[in-house]
Amino acid sequence: GNSVTQMEGPVTLSEEAFLTINCTYTATGYPSLFWYVQYPGEGLQLLLKATKADDKGSNKGFEATYRKETTSFHLEKGSVQVSDSAVYFCALSTSHTNAGKSTFGDGTTLTVKP
Amino acid sequence: DTGVSQDPRHKITKRGQNVTFRCDPISEHNRLYWYRQTLGQGPEFLTYFQNEAQLEKSRLLSDRFSAERPKGSFSTLEIQRTEQGDSAMYLCASSPDRVGDTQYFGPGTRLTVL
Repeated sequence: GNSVTQMEGPVTLSEEAFLTINCTYTATGYPSLFWYVQYPGEGLQLLLKATKADDKGSNKGFEATYRKETTSFHLEKGSVQVSDSAVYFCALSTSHTNAGKSTFGDGTTLTVKP
Repeated sequence: DTGVSQDPRHKITKRGQNVTFRCDPISEHNRLYWYRQTLGQGPEFLTYFQNEAQLEKSRLLSDRFSAERPKGSFSTLEIQRTEQGDSAMYLCASSPDRVGDTQYFGPGTRLTVL
């Protein structure tokens, strides 16, 4: 079956530090890969996505590259801000075989200190 | 596009009572998903609708759980004879019917069973 493994948290960084949150996956078929962000008290919001190998998703300074050879989709940001403090979820979806349902990692809590 | 809405946002109930949650997807989205999220974990798939047809149910969805999507519009999730283990955030998501499409999540309904 499908699975997603995320780097365990929590992660605490100082403002303007470099961020990496690791994500690896196991999937049948050719999944689409996603990063979602959940701010305190809010629902999940799509941060970025990539639908095929070597695609790079990017948004709000965050980037992740779909690496089929290493089955990874690591999230990076060059300079984090206090407002980036949230829980980040890596997810995959295999529309062809699983009706598009998503499989999520357990989330990584990021705290950015001023 | 008003986004996915869920009602209620919070529900506190006593063990053994029945509860019902509602989800209103984005109007042109054919696919609707229910997920459950417990503290410290990522969302877990419960069930999926394509228009009004319930096409897949997770083994997590015991006989006490039932979901409907009459006329392919809003959806309801009912839990009968609630147990303390049902306490969680119940998330609804919708998406168009295209490969690799993003799921748009509602804010969730937080259920507490006393």
